[in-house]
Amino acid sequence: DAEITQSPRHKITETGRQVTLACHQTWNHNNMFWYRQDLGHGLRLIHYSYGVQDTNKGEVSDGYSVSRSNTEDLPLTLESAASSQTSVYFCASSELTGHTQYFGPGTRLTVL
Amino acid sequence: AQSVSQHNHHVILSEAASLELGCNYSYGGTVNLFWYVQYPGQHLQLLLKYFSGDPLVKGIKGFEAEFIKSKFSFNLRKPSVQWSDTAEYFCAVGSSNTGKLIFGQGTTLQVKP
Repeated sequence: DAEITQSPRHKITETGRQVTLACHQTWNHNNMFWYRQDLGHGLRLIHYSYGVQDTNKGEVSDGYSVSRSNTEDLPLTLESAASSQTSVYFCASSELTGHTQYFGPGTRLTVL
Repeated sequence: AQSVSQHNHHVILSEAASLELGCNYSYGGTVNLFWYVQYPGQHLQLLLKYFSGDPLVKGIKGFEAEFIKSKFSFNLRKPSVQWSDTAEYFCAVGSSNTGKLIFGQGTTLQVKP
């Protein structure tokens, strides 16, 4: 069955370190998204991609970057981790823009 | 800009009570509407969706939602909740024009046995 996976599931890092969160989908979807989930804020869009070599900033993109070198993967990089980036991160993908998104299991990131 | 508002942030019900969670959105064009559910410690799962046609849509686990275009609303309902419905519920709006989904802040539902 097609699926979307994220790794690691849990990560503890220190302020200032670079961190990369992996997202891999086997749906063959062109569209991929990264969200962060925080209490009181719901889900906020960080970056998204509509296809290989395409990346776009979401509403909370500062301090994050993504790259899309193939259809299956959209890694999220925190260039210099900050305590404010402690959160749960979800990756999602969709076949069509504006349509149903399928979510990964999430990565819980703690920045000390 | 698109926005989604969920009026109930935290709802506590007893088993067998009826549920209605409000969702209003702001967007002038054609929209796709979604309700997602997140059970404790799990990822978001699609509960139901509306793209077009009958404005009353039925989803999994006995949930339904009604799209009222004139009110820009897409409220979620269930006639009789169960303890296993304890979860966080997110309303989302998407459009082909913008390509993204905009999520509400979520409603935490706690069902007491």
